[in-house]
Amino acid sequence: RKEVEQDPGPFNVPEGATVAFNCTYSNSASQSFFWYRQDCRKEPKLLMSVYSSGNEDGRFTAQLNRASQYISLLIRDSKLSDSATYLCVVSRNTGGFKTIFGAGTRLFVKA
Amino acid sequence: GAGVSQTPSNKVTEKGKYVELRCDPISGHTALYWYRQSLGQGPEFLIYFQGTGAADDSGLPNDRFFAVRPEGSVSTLKIQRTERGDSAVYLCASSFPGTGELFFGEGSRLTVL
Repeated sequence: RKEVEQDPGPFNVPEGATVAFNCTYSNSASQSFFWYRQDCRKEPKLLMSVYSSGNEDGRFTAQLNRASQYISLLIRDSKLSDSATYLCVVSRNTGGFKTIFGAGTRLFVKA
Repeated sequence: GAGVSQTPSNKVTEKGKYVELRCDPISGHTALYWYRQSLGQGPEFLIYFQGTGAADDSGLPNDRFFAVRPEGSVSTLKIQRTERGDSAVYLCASSFPGTGELFFGEGSRLTVL
């Protein structure tokens, strides 16, 4: 079993739609949680950190449920420019901060 | 520039050859990571350095892979006796320890024929 599991998609949605991505992690020692975005043939970039209290950044909302070891990302009012792969990321201290990426969920937003 | 720099950007080699991939992190970032990414997959953790030492090398697939960071800045990933299955994009990232945000280079695309 992979340490971070994501629905691979792809998700095909029209502009303006709301889309939700889910992620589960297996190691209960995980301490920090993130969503990264990766455009085609580009490097991953941090989208947002995820906190237990939930956090919002414009059209993006991230949630963490430590008891269920579950992370989510909600995108409201999807834009064409949101088309990308969204990577769920967890980090834990193994003498340093070992940071593990999920396989990613591919999103296509269409006009 | 001020970002993470990786060289070469592309490397084509023959099966059995030795390859070195270089990463120059952002100045002041003490944490450095190597990942491997195949098409349609997420970045696969290989090794993490804190300063000069490898804090976690549990992701290195076998003893053909080795990485060093002798002065706590530039790192080199070394692959001996390359195999076709080693073909992938090798990504390097750096960060301030514990901040969570990794800054990636553009990657080195390795093709083993």
